[in-house]
Amino acid sequence: DAGVIQSPRHEVTEMGQEVTLRCKPISGHNSLFWYRQTMMRGLELLIYFNNNVPIDDSGMPEDRFSAKMPNASFSTLKIQPSEPRDSAVYFCASSFWGFRSTDTQYFGPGTRLTVL
Amino acid sequence: DQQVKQNSPSLSVQEGRISILNCDYTNSMFDYFLWYKKYPAEGPTFLISISSIKDKNEDGRFTVFLNKSAKHLSLHIVPSQPGDSAVYFCAAENQGGKLIFGQGTELSVKP
Repeated sequence: DAGVIQSPRHEVTEMGQEVTLRCKPISGHNSLFWYRQTMMRGLELLIYFNNNVPIDDSGMPEDRFSAKMPNASFSTLKIQPSEPRDSAVYFCASSFWGFRSTDTQYFGPGTRLTVL
Repeated sequence: DQQVKQNSPSLSVQEGRISILNCDYTNSMFDYFLWYKKYPAEGPTFLISISSIKDKNEDGRFTVFLNKSAKHLSLHIVPSQPGDSAVYFCAAENQGGKLIFGQGTELSVKP
């Protein structure tokens, strides 16, 4: 059974370029999360969707970041324009229900983004 | 401000010995805590959790202890195995159900 799928696995781009990260959640899961991992801050939640609707985007750092979920099987995280401080590993996760203690989040392998 | 802190970025332990990973939090309203494990080039996977109504939860070689008065939790791995070498993230759930993660601790278990 396929887990959460993310693409690309690695992305190297130059400052000012647009970057699009993609995620396919586990089939049947109703919630999708985008996280960013940095050495200093660990894993930070950027945005959370439930039934394709953005519920909490308070973690999105600034207007350069946007996320969409056009259907239950696909989501994108876009950075435009990208900056060197955006360099990090970006994870997508999905869960059956969403924000519940008993609901495990399943993470994808991550996209390592490097902005030069 | 970091609400969940793992102050040790790395830990090295001999195979067969106990590994103790620590985590501190600042918000006394957190009521559910989790540990995730992450291997290189993979996403984090859920390991073990504990509710604030308990002070201990055990699953095989893994035990999580919660000290609410000190706002501290720890993960004990006994005995440690080389396959346990990974990054371990502590997380706390806030009232809205959002997971707040720490920075992670990289555990290295030497044969």
